[in-house]
Formats: sequence, structure tokens, C-alpha cells
Amino acid sequence: GAGVSQSPSNKVTEKGKDVELRCDPISGHTALYWYRQSLGQGLEFLIYFQGNSAPDKSGLPSDRFSAERTGGSVSTLTIQRTQQEDSAVYLCASSRGDPPGNTIYFGEGSWLTVV
Amino acid sequence: DQQVKQNSPSLSVQEGRISILNCDYTNSMFDYFLWYKKYPAEGPTFLISISSIKDKNEDGRFTVFLNKSAKHLSLHIVPSQPGDSAVYFCAANNYNTDKLIFGTGTRLQVFP
Repeated sequence: GAGVSQSPSNKVTEKGKDVELRCDPISGHTALYWYRQSLGQGLEFLIYFQGNSAPDKSGLPSDRFSAERTGGSVSTLTIQRTQQEDSAVYLCASSRGDPPGNTIYFGEGSWLTVV
Repeated sequence: DQQVKQNSPSLSVQEGRISILNCDYTNSMFDYFLWYKKYPAEGPTFLISISSIKDKNEDGRFTVFLNKSAKHLSLHIVPSQPGDSAVYFCAANNYNTDKLIFGTGTRLQVFP
């Protein structure tokens, strides 16, 4: 597609359930990012994939969070045993992956509410 | 450790006047800086960027200024328009990676 596509756009889940969020990056983009924005907060880096390199997972807040990227394209962010503090908008972004000066492009986000 | 800081959570400006949004960073390895704009219920969109080899970049009504010695950058919007009302995020990265570190954002409101 023309832009970064994320699904679902909205998800309400019960505390303790697992959720999966999906991201389709812009075609040809080798770098993929996950960020999240909690209510009233800034953009928090979660994880970054670049080509075949090992992902930078330094932003994942706990071991309940994991992400994978299959075939260098689609990515799935998984949150296990969700907690209320996980409620946020999860934003995926992609870029050509050729620093410096590389602009990243965001999707519309997946709004997660844990009740 | 907040490497990119936007100390003003909100700013209110009259239409036609200049809006100045500020951003400070702590990591001297950062060499590329960007501003993103975010409307409610949408993803952030790229606005303007600047490399550390420059101290100014202009694009229409938007100008970004970089003061490397002070580790400070600012976004100027002139003249401000009601459609500019949004949250503005400052972001930075360094040469070796395109992982962007974002600030906490400044909510700009432009009133008639």
C-alpha cells in the first residue's frame, strides 16, 4: 500500500489476555519501528528492526512485550497478560533505512484499551 | 533518561503571529533532527528536518533553527494558522542509526 498500515485500529481487551498488533510497512522500506503513546505522554520507543540485523529491543518495557518481523516486511507486536498500564496507542513506522537524514513514516496507530 | 526534551507542554498563539516551539537534547552524538506534527487520532506526520551541519532550514512557513553548542533547536511557524493546531514532536538520531528518539511533545493551539 501507499502508507504504513496497522491493524486493528482499535482493540479493547480484558486484563490478563494476550493481544497481537500488526503492521504492514511501506513497500521497500527496510527499517520498521514500534512506538507507543500513553495518555498525556510522548512517543516512547519500543523496538526497531533494520534489514537482517538483530532488532534493537531496548525500549520494550517488560518481558510481556515481544515483536517479530517476518520476511523483512510485516511485523507483529505481541503483549502477553495485558495490564491496564498497557493501554495506549501503539504506532508503527517504517523508513528506507539509510541513515543519516532518514525520515520515518507512521501508521495511524492501534488504540489498545485494557479493562 | 529523557534525551530529547520539550519543556513546554502547551502553547497558545493568535492567528497570524509567530509560533516558536523549543526542544533541547542531551546526547552530543545526535546529528539529525526532525519535527513531526500529530493531529488527534492520527499518526505523526513529518514536517521538517535539519542536519547538524546546518543551523537553519526553511520550508515555507516553517523554519527550524539548530544551536549545537546549546544543544537546542526550535521550530518557528509564521504566520500561524488555525490548521496548525496540533501536537508537535521534536525527534533526534545519530549517524549510525535511524532510531529516532522523540520528545514529549508540545500542544500548539492557534486561535483566531
